[in-house]
Amino acid sequence: DAGITQSPRHKVTETGTPVTLRCHQTENHRYMYWYRQDPGHGLRLIHYSYGVKDTDKGEVSDGYSVSRSKTEDFLLTLESATSSQTSVYFCAISESKRPARSTEAFFGQGTRLTVV
Amino acid sequence: GESVGLHLPTLSVQEGDNSIINCAYSNSASDYFIWYKQESGKGPQFIIDIRSNMDKRQGQRVTVLLNKTVKHLSLQIAATQPGDSAVYFCAENMSGAGSYQLTFGKGTKLSVIP
Repeated sequence: DAGITQSPRHKVTETGTPVTLRCHQTENHRYMYWYRQDPGHGLRLIHYSYGVKDTDKGEVSDGYSVSRSKTEDFLLTLESATSSQTSVYFCAISESKRPARSTEAFFGQGTRLTVV
Repeated sequence: GESVGLHLPTLSVQEGDNSIINCAYSNSASDYFIWYKQESGKGPQFIIDIRSNMDKRQGQRVTVLLNKTVKHLSLQIAATQPGDSAVYFCAENMSGAGSYQLTFGKGTKLSVIP
């Protein structure tokens, strides 16, 4: 398995509180991604990073921010958590900007976040 | 994990039979497609991919078929085994400005009956 670790694996938080999820990789891949997964929606891209301090928005970025201060870590922050952000969050990494034939995106195990 | 399986189309097959999982993709500009398998409580796992200049690609026990005319993708699993039980997602990708992004389908839950 690719070396991706997400932490925490489970979290329950209250509405209005800040939450930070961490993705750590040991593969030295350039590209890192945060997705959320909800029933009936599949996986949707929140933010991605194409290098240290280089990030950009995905299709569902509202309410989320990210930071990447070093290659191996990509942080996802919910500045003020809302119940609509209850979801399972997945981090993914890839070597290339565009997943190529031999370089697919590897996914972490996921973080289940519940906002009450 | 478990909540992924809710509200999904489900395919039930007998162990040893062949499975066919279908996917309709949305963007005619997409030129690269991937099938992922997701077991309960785990992240998606790459199965097989195909580029738009092909209409068929085979892997170990799996075959992906691409019909660009009707924007349809299928995954065929031969001799389905209990370990194949999972949710299967197709994902599409296109070149150009959006090439960083994979757009995922909603998934199909495959249940294998021993």
